[in-house]
Amino acid sequence: DQQVKQNSPSLSVQEGRISILNCDYTNSMFDYFLWYKKYPAEGPTFLISISSIKDKNEDGRFTVFLNKSAKHLSLHIVPSQPGDSAVYFCAARVLSGTYKYIFGTGTRLKVLA
Amino acid sequence: NAGVTQTPKFQVLKTGQSMTLQCAQDMNHEYMSWYRQDPGMGLRLIHYSVGAGITDQGEVPNGYNVSRSTTEDFPLRLLSAAPSQTSVYFCASSSNTRYEQYFGPGTRLTVT
Repeated sequence: DQQVKQNSPSLSVQEGRISILNCDYTNSMFDYFLWYKKYPAEGPTFLISISSIKDKNEDGRFTVFLNKSAKHLSLHIVPSQPGDSAVYFCAARVLSGTYKYIFGTGTRLKVLA
Repeated sequence: NAGVTQTPKFQVLKTGQSMTLQCAQDMNHEYMSWYRQDPGMGLRLIHYSVGAGITDQGEVPNGYNVSRSTTEDFPLRLLSAAPSQTSVYFCASSSNTRYEQYFGPGTRLTVT
């Protein structure tokens, strides 16, 4: 079963507008959530994270919102730039003895100039 | 710092062959992990390790073995390659005091 879901495979946004990427999860044992960005032929790179005890974290143009009751998080990019065009993965850390990270399926963002 | 390095970058195997994908990091990270990326499936965790001598299974461990004899290295072994193991493999590492993982550039494996 997919514990971390990104239901939108792709998203197109005009340059300068807001990009909103969504992620849903099912496991209440997740204690930390992260977003990664991936360009073709490269490994993912860390973007921003949020603890499960917070509801918002901001870093420059990137803000992550967490709604625990809905088991939903979102990444806002404002303003969107053509260089933001990439695949974005949502990930969650689960504590179970040790800890491990579960990733979503990714959303391909295209920012149109 | 080289960060996380993976070798080889590309590999073609025949069904039934075995091979080892190498992963090394020079950041003294305790945590290391292997993922595979397939179209529409995202990144799926194969195996992970929280320190030298400790490994555990992820979501899709079948057909793969790992060992962690040093902090720096975390090789992934394919015991008998199958076409279903055609994928892009990523190794990642992180410190136990931080949450973000650092990924290698990936190994593209094709099994015919």
